[in-house]
Amino acid sequence: DIQMTQSPSSLSAFVGDRVTITCRASQYIGTSLNWYQQKPGKAPNLLIYDSSLLQTGVPSRFSGSGSGTDFTLTISSLQPEDFATYYCQQSYNMLTFGPGTRVD
Amino acid sequence: QVQLVQSGAEVKKPGASVKVSCKASGYTFTRYDLIWVRQATGQGLEWMGWMNPNSGNTGYAQRFQGRVTMTRNTSLNTAYMELTGLRYEDTAVFYCARAVQAVYAMDVWGQGTTVTVSS
Repeated sequence: DIQMTQSPSSLSAFVGDRVTITCRASQYIGTSLNWYQQKPGKAPNLLIYDSSLLQTGVPSRFSGSGSGTDFTLTISSLQPEDFATYYCQQSYNMLTFGPGTRVD
Repeated sequence: QVQLVQSGAEVKKPGASVKVSCKASGYTFTRYDLIWVRQATGQGLEWMGWMNPNSGNTGYAQRFQGRVTMTRNTSLNTAYMELTGLRYEDTAVFYCARAVQAVYAMDVWGQGTTVTVSS
C-alpha cells in the first residue's frame, strides 16, 4: 500500500500569510495527487486535482505542484475562510489520504 | 444541481450491521464511480472502497475486506454501503463521493451519515 505523510500536522497563520503544506508518498505516484479542504462538520471539498489543476470554483490563491513522491499545496494569501484542515490523496494505486494538516 | 444525499444517522449495537444509502441526482449515475470514506470523530479521512455503478464492480480497502459490501440500484440512482460486524471503533461519519475518472478525484460529496456503535 502507498502511504501518505503530510507536514506540518498543524500550523498557525494569520490572514494574508503565504501557507505551504507538503505531502509525501511512500513510492512513485506520478501526478496522481489531489488536495481537499475540510471544515468542521462538513464534507471535504476538492481544491486541486492531478497535482496542479485547480478545481472549478476554487479561488486562484490555491495552487499545487509536485510529481513523483513530493507535492506541495500553497495558499498565496490566507483568507479567513481558509482556516480548515487540508488533506492530500493519492489515486495512483487504489486510494490513500494523508493524515491532514490543520491550519488555524 | 449535482448532489449526493445520504441516509440519516444510525445507532447500532456491537456486532450489528449498518446499511447507508447515497442517492445521486443532477448527473448520469452510471457515468462516475462512487467512493466511500470513513471519518472517525476528530480523525482523518479513510478510504473504504469504490464501486462502478454501471457494472457493479467494486474494490475494497484491505482493512475493510470481508466486512464491507457496496451495491447499487440503478433504477433509483442510489448506492449502498453495508458494514457488518460493527465495532466501537466504527463510530464515525461515513461519506459517499463521486470520483472523476482518470484523476480519481472526488468532486461531489454527500453530507455524511453518522453511525454510532454503542451497547
